[in-house]
Amino acid sequence: GAGVSQTPSNKVTEKGKYVELRCDPISGHTALYWYRQSLGQGPEFLIYFQGTGAADDSGLPNDRFFAVRPEGSVSTLKIQRTERGDSAVYLCASSPPTDRGLSSGNTIYFGEGSWLTVV
Amino acid sequence: TQLLEQSPQFLSIQEGENLTVYCNSSSVFSSLQWYRQEPGEGPVLLVTVVTGGEVKKLKRLTFQFGDARKDSSLHITAAQPGDTGLYLCAGVSTTGNQFYFGTGTSLTVIP
Repeated sequence: GAGVSQTPSNKVTEKGKYVELRCDPISGHTALYWYRQSLGQGPEFLIYFQGTGAADDSGLPNDRFFAVRPEGSVSTLKIQRTERGDSAVYLCASSPPTDRGLSSGNTIYFGEGSWLTVV
Repeated sequence: TQLLEQSPQFLSIQEGENLTVYCNSSSVFSSLQWYRQEPGEGPVLLVTVVTGGEVKKLKRLTFQFGDARKDSSLHITAAQPGDTGLYLCAGVSTTGNQFYFGTGTSLTVIP
């Protein structure tokens, strides 16, 4: 697709339920990121994939959160036993492979986010 | 926990005024990026600064990277209502593949 696509765009779920959020990155992008953002705050890092593997999952808040990217493209963020504090916008971003020294940083492209509300 | 603190958190100014947003960290980054985010959308990259002390200009926006590569500032001259949005700084890791966002500055420019 032309951009990063996230589904659903909005999800309301009851406390204790299981939720899956999907991210379809830009074609050819090898890196994929999940962030969580509260209203008016900066995105909080959750997990970063390089290809199929999680290169850094240090941002996942606890073991109720898990993410997969089995074929190195689409990723799913899974939240078990949801709590009201999980309510936030979950942002996905992707970036292309880098082929040179990375001191300038790559460019990441964000989706519009999935708004999760736990009631 | 976010590595970068932005100030102010909220800013409401009249059209035509100038403003500066600060981004501070105790960590050193290989580069620093600034993003702007509008409601219902993801952040969009404005600029990347790489070298300590570097200054970049984008029309009415001036970005500076601190000499020690730990902090940055964004200065907007003659703010316009279209500048309204959430401004985010992001520190980039030495690998170039990790992006740590600041706490955000919500700017409102009143016509």
